[in-house]
Amino acid sequence: TQLLEQSPQFLSIQEGENLTVYCNSSSVFSSLQWYRQEPGEGPVLLVTVVTGGEVKKLKRLTFQFGDARKDSSLHITAAQPGDTGLYLCAGYPSGYSTLTFGKGTMLLVSP
Amino acid sequence: GAVVSQHPSRVICKSGTSVKIECRSLDFQATTMFWYRQFPKKSLMLMATSNEGSKATYEQGVEKDKFLINHASLTLSTLTVTSAHPEDSSFYICSARDRNYKLAGGYEQYFGPGTRLTVT
Repeated sequence: TQLLEQSPQFLSIQEGENLTVYCNSSSVFSSLQWYRQEPGEGPVLLVTVVTGGEVKKLKRLTFQFGDARKDSSLHITAAQPGDTGLYLCAGYPSGYSTLTFGKGTMLLVSP
Repeated sequence: GAVVSQHPSRVICKSGTSVKIECRSLDFQATTMFWYRQFPKKSLMLMATSNEGSKATYEQGVEKDKFLINHASLTLSTLTVTSAHPEDSSFYICSARDRNYKLAGGYEQYFGPGTRLTVT
C-alpha cells in the first residue's frame, strides 16, 4: 500500500491556469516536503512544512499542511511553461526516520 | 548551502562490467546517505540507506552483492553496480541527510543531480 497518495498523477494545462496537487495519507507525518524535478536532474527541495495548518508561499506556489498533519497540498497560480516538471511530495511518518515518497505528479504547462 | 554532487552524470558501460558512482555532500557532513533508483516519469525508489562507517541497509528486493555501497566518510558515499546488465540501466540518485534541529523530525534530505547509467 502507498503511504502517501499523490494526485493527480498527470496534469496538462495551458499557461495562466491554476492547479492544485494533493498529497494524502491516513498516517500522521512529522514533516512533509515538496520537491520539483526536471528531466535528467535530481529533485530540488521547494518547501518543508512542519506545523499542522501551516501555509507557506513561494512566489506563485502555495503549500499547505493539514491541521492533522496527514495531508498537504500544492497550489500553483497562473502556471507558466517553466513550471513543467515532476512534483513529488515526501514526508517522515511520525516515529520514522525514512523519507516516504508519493508517486509524483507530472505537470505539463503549454504556452 | 546543502549541495550534493554526483559523479559521473552519465555513464555507458558494457554488460558484465562494473560501474562506480560517487556521491558527495559539499558543504555539510552527511551522517546518512541514501541511494535511489528512478524509472522514467516515476517516483524515486529507495534502494539502500548507508550510515557513515557502517554497513548499508538494503530495501527488500535489492541485491546487496550487486549494488555495493560504501560510506567511508561523512562527505562521500559510493555505489558500485557490479556485473552490470541492460536491466540495470536507470537513473540513480543519491541523497544526503544533515541533522536540522529546526525541523520536528530532525532531518532534512538533499538530493544529487543523478547519474544516468546505460548498460549495452
